[in-house]
Amino acid sequence: DAGITQSPRHKVTETGTPVTLRCHQTENHRYMYWYRQDPGHGLRLIHYSYGVKDTDKGEVSDGYSVSRSKTEDFLLTLESATSSQTSVYFCAISPRPLTMNTEAFFGQGTRLTVV
Amino acid sequence: QKEVEQNSGPLSVPEGAIASLNCTYSDRGSQSFFWYRQYSGKSPELIMSIYSNGDKEDGRFTAQLNKASQYVSLLIRDSQPSDSATYLCAVNLSNQAGTALIFGKGTTLSVSS
Repeated sequence: DAGITQSPRHKVTETGTPVTLRCHQTENHRYMYWYRQDPGHGLRLIHYSYGVKDTDKGEVSDGYSVSRSKTEDFLLTLESATSSQTSVYFCAISPRPLTMNTEAFFGQGTRLTVV
Repeated sequence: QKEVEQNSGPLSVPEGAIASLNCTYSDRGSQSFFWYRQYSGKSPELIMSIYSNGDKEDGRFTAQLNKASQYVSLLIRDSQPSDSATYLCAVNLSNQAGTALIFGKGTTLSVSS
């Protein structure tokens, strides 16, 4: 299994509080991604990173920010959590651009509940 | 908005039958196509990737790609109860900065013994 660790695995937080999810990899892969998964919506891309300090928005980036200060860590922050951000969050990594002969590996997920 | 479409299912097949899963995508610039399997409560795992038009076989799985029709499919031969899962079609989304994957909503497959 690819060395990806997401933390925490489960979290319950209150509306309006800040929350940071961490993705840590030991593979030295350049590309990292944050997805959320909700019933009826599948996996949706929030943000991704193509190198240290290089990030870009995905299709559902509103309300989220990310940071990548070193290769192994990609942080996802909810500045002020809302109930609509209750979801399962997956981190993924890949060594190269997802063009030829490259796959993305997924972490085990973080289940976030905003009450 | 780049999109990937799949029938949500559920798709029900008897054990030993062929399961056929389909996917269409909107971005003609996409070059890489993936099928992931996801068991309930687990993370997605890659089962097939395909980059060229035609068929690609791996054991009981065959991926088919038709870029002109913007269509990709997955065939599972000799379906087993252990194949019961949600199958996610994913397509690379390219832009100047980098690449990422866009997923369909997934098709739930149920194989009955």
